[in-house]
Amino acid sequence: QKEVEQNSGPLSVPEGAIASLNCTYSDRGSQSFFWYRQYSGKSPELIMSIYSNGDKEDGRFTAQLNKASQYVSLLIRDSQPSDSATYLCAVNPSGSYKLIFGSGTRLLVRP
Amino acid sequence: DAGVIQSPRHEVTEMGQEVTLRCKPISGHNSLFWYRQTMMRGLELLIYFNNNVPIDDSGMPEDRFSAKMPNASFSTLKIQPSEPRDSAVYFCASSPSTYNEQFFGPGTRLTVL
Repeated sequence: QKEVEQNSGPLSVPEGAIASLNCTYSDRGSQSFFWYRQYSGKSPELIMSIYSNGDKEDGRFTAQLNKASQYVSLLIRDSQPSDSATYLCAVNPSGSYKLIFGSGTRLLVRP
Repeated sequence: DAGVIQSPRHEVTEMGQEVTLRCKPISGHNSLFWYRQTMMRGLELLIYFNNNVPIDDSGMPEDRFSAKMPNASFSTLKIQPSEPRDSAVYFCASSPSTYNEQFFGPGTRLTVL
C-alpha cells in the first residue's frame, strides 16, 4: 500500500463546476497535510495546508481533513480553465521531517 | 520576497560529465530539500539539510550524487559522472522549520545525452 494515494485522473469538470480531489494516507499519526498545484513544466506551488480535522477555506479552495478516516480532500469551487493542472497531496508523517507526496491527480476544466 | 532560486534552469550535458545544480533558499528558512521528479517515479526526496547540516541522504541514488550546503543561503547538488538515467527535473525546496510547508524553486531540467 502506498503511503499517500491519489486517483491519477484525469478528472474532467465543466467550467463553473466544483472539482473534488481526494487523497488517502496510511500513517494514522500524520499531523500536517498540504495541497500543491503543479502546472505542466512548472514546479509544485503550495495552495493549501491543513492541520486539524474539519474544513479550511481560502477563496475558491476548501481543504477537508478527516483523520479518523485518513483522508484529505480539496474542493475547488467555480472551476476555471486556469485551474487545469496536476494537484499533489502531501502528508507529513508523525515524527518525520519528510513530506510524502502522492502521485497527483490531473484536473481538466473544460470551457 | 524572492522565492527559492535555482540555477541553471536547463542543463544539457553528455554522459560522463560533471553536473552542478545550485539553490538559494528563501531567507530565514532553515530547512532545505533536494527532490528529483520523473514521470515514472514522481517526486523523490534526495537529501534534507537542517541548519546547513545534512540530516538524511538516504534518497541519494548512488555515490555519483553529492550535496553540500556551505552556508544558510546556498546549496549545491553535484552529479559526477552523469548518466542518461539521471535525466529529470531537480527541485530545491526550503521550509521555515522542519515540519512546516515546503516552498519549491523553479527546478532545473537536466538532460544527459
